Amino acid sequence: GQQLNQSPQSMFIQEGEDVSMNCTSSSIFNTWLWYKQDPGEGPVLLIALYKAGELTSNGRLTAQFGITRKDSFLNISASIPSDVGIYFCAVQNYGGSQGNLIFGKGTKLSVKP
Amino acid sequence: EAQVTQNPRYLITVTGKKLTVTCSQNMNHEYMSWYRQDPGLGLRQIYYSMNVEVTDKGDVPEGYKVSRKEKRNFPLILESPSPNQTSLYFCASSPRERTNTGELFFGEGSRLTVL
Repeated sequence: GQQLNQSPQSMFIQEGEDVSMNCTSSSIFNTWLWYKQDPGEGPVLLIALYKAGELTSNGRLTAQFGITRKDSFLNISASIPSDVGIYFCAVQNYGGSQGNLIFGKGTKLSVKP
Repeated sequence: EAQVTQNPRYLITVTGKKLTVTCSQNMNHEYMSWYRQDPGLGLRQIYYSMNVEVTDKGDVPEGYKVSRKEKRNFPLILESPSPNQTSLYFCASSPRERTNTGELFFGEGSRLTVL
């Protein structure tokens, strides 16, 4: 099946540092999403991108939908301890069911105070 | 409070003993789905339902069943659990008008261990 390549797998950073993670695909997708999973919780949508080239911010988070429609990145500026968690990229699989998301394998972020 | 509720949150069982993980949402959402999360594999869809009495297979449906008799409930049934179904399971829902946006509302997860 279709796969998303998400990197890095894990990151250990100091509080206050900026973070960057990305997601690539061999196929074109028209919707890219970034979810965050806090420890012991379900994923929550952070940012949704619907237009190639789109750059969207949500507080300290910034995400971009690649112009080729095959990639996306998420940046977190000035990280804080509550940024800890697993970040998933996801795309909408229109070849399958409406609303069916394909998730990346996640980037686990650890923040040292 | 708007939420997706899963039960049980934790379960240890033995191979072959039928079990059901319930999922209920109070947001009147049409779309519901089950995912499993495994280390190094991310989230993979098991089954989904576009509305009452409409269900379909996701990417990893083997060994699972679902039903959607009511809009709010979407139970996941393991008729004969096996150790490879040890996983963290998530139920998610979305209103019909948002299913094209990719926004899903997830429950808190059910951690299942099959011995």
